[in-house]
Amino acid sequence: QVQLQQSGTELVKPASSVKISCKASGYTFTSNYMHWIRQQPGNGLEWIGWIYPGNGNTKYNQKFDGKATLTADKSSSTAYMQLSSLTSEDSAVYFCAREELVYWGQGVMVTVSS
Amino acid sequence: DIVMTQTPLSLSVAIGQSASISCKSSQSLKYSDGKTYLNWVFQSPGQSPKRLIYQVSKLDSGVPDRFSGTGSETDFTLKISRVEAEDLGVYYCCQGSYSPYTFGAGTKLELK
Repeated sequence: QVQLQQSGTELVKPASSVKISCKASGYTFTSNYMHWIRQQPGNGLEWIGWIYPGNGNTKYNQKFDGKATLTADKSSSTAYMQLSSLTSEDSAVYFCAREELVYWGQGVMVTVSS
Repeated sequence: DIVMTQTPLSLSVAIGQSASISCKSSQSLKYSDGKTYLNWVFQSPGQSPKRLIYQVSKLDSGVPDRFSGTGSETDFTLKISRVEAEDLGVYYCCQGSYSPYTFGAGTKLELK
């Protein structure tokens, strides 16, 4: 069955970077887009962007340009999102979701605090 | 960006009653391939979101037929007949026709 297993909770300092992962199994990783979505505390869902692991193509929500960088490792069927220049505004749960949002990871809570 | 406006933002229902959520988009969601990429996504407390309906009215596997989606162009509705306790949580509409994907603010379905 399709599974998206995300990495664990992160506590990071302001101005630093963090890289979170999403390991896919149960389907052909390279043939499906992987989306990333943010959920700030008590808030709704915001689409960050997608990556197509087959060729590494990416598309970002302009709001996250320069903030998020999406990559994928075909050998391990793992998608990554790096978040840079972190501020308290970036404290949120981050989800990966397979093409057309049909399957979701369990989410990674990122807390930015000194 | 396409704005997705959901109403109501909160809905109190008794178990067994029906519920209806509206979602309006700021422009038509009909894509050039003729399909309309309007999804309904459900999030129960403390859980990951789960897609229930895609392309306006197609139910995902395992979703009870108490759920139905209707609409076209800019106007969409999610209906739940005979609400059950497991249906309580937040429902989001989400458009995937045009980048960036955008979500509605969410409708919280609570027990009356």
